[in-house]
Amino acid sequence: QKEVEQNSGPLSVPEGAIASLNCTYSDRVSQSFFWYRQYSGKSPELIMSIYSNGDKEDGRFTAQLNKASQYVSLLIRDSQPSDSATYLCAVNTGFQKLVFGTGTRLLVSP
Amino acid sequence: EAGVTQFPSHSVIEKGQTVTLRCDPISGHDNLYWYRRVMGKEIKFLLHFVKESKQDESGMPNNRFLAERTGGTYSTLKVQPAELEDSGVYFCASSQRDRVVKELFFGEGSRLTVL
Repeated sequence: QKEVEQNSGPLSVPEGAIASLNCTYSDRVSQSFFWYRQYSGKSPELIMSIYSNGDKEDGRFTAQLNKASQYVSLLIRDSQPSDSATYLCAVNTGFQKLVFGTGTRLLVSP
Repeated sequence: EAGVTQFPSHSVIEKGQTVTLRCDPISGHDNLYWYRRVMGKEIKFLLHFVKESKQDESGMPNNRFLAERTGGTYSTLKVQPAELEDSGVYFCASSQRDRVVKELFFGEGSRLTVL
């Protein structure tokens, strides 16, 4: 079992719709959770971090964390073609090391 | 403010040759990390420096890989001799000194192709 699992996609949504990206993790002691966006050939860029159960909203992005179910998600409202990218879920189980999922490719069509 | 810069952006070498990748972190960031993404796989941790000290090198694949961070500024990752399975994108990241990792700032990566 992989430590962090994501559906590789692609996830296709029309412009203006809500994109829902999901991630599960295996290590129950995981403390902090991150969503990175990566455009092709570019560096991963942090878009959301979440540390406690519940929802965290930032603009069009909402991260949701459920530690009991070992599940973290990212919702993108009013999706735009510029949101088309690979979204990486990363988990910190302690100390200074992140464990990444393989990423979900999101395609937003005009 | 300059971000994390990596050089070269792409390197093509033959099996058995040596390659050295360089990373310049954001100024003032004590933490420096190397990660690697092999095609089709997830980004995986290689090692972590705090200033010039190696804090965690548990992800280094084998002794063909040598990372240094002399003076606590830029870092180099040398692969000698390179093997086919070393091909991938090597990412460097840096962060401020926190007890637990928060935001990592990544470079655009150095793509290594071993023929």
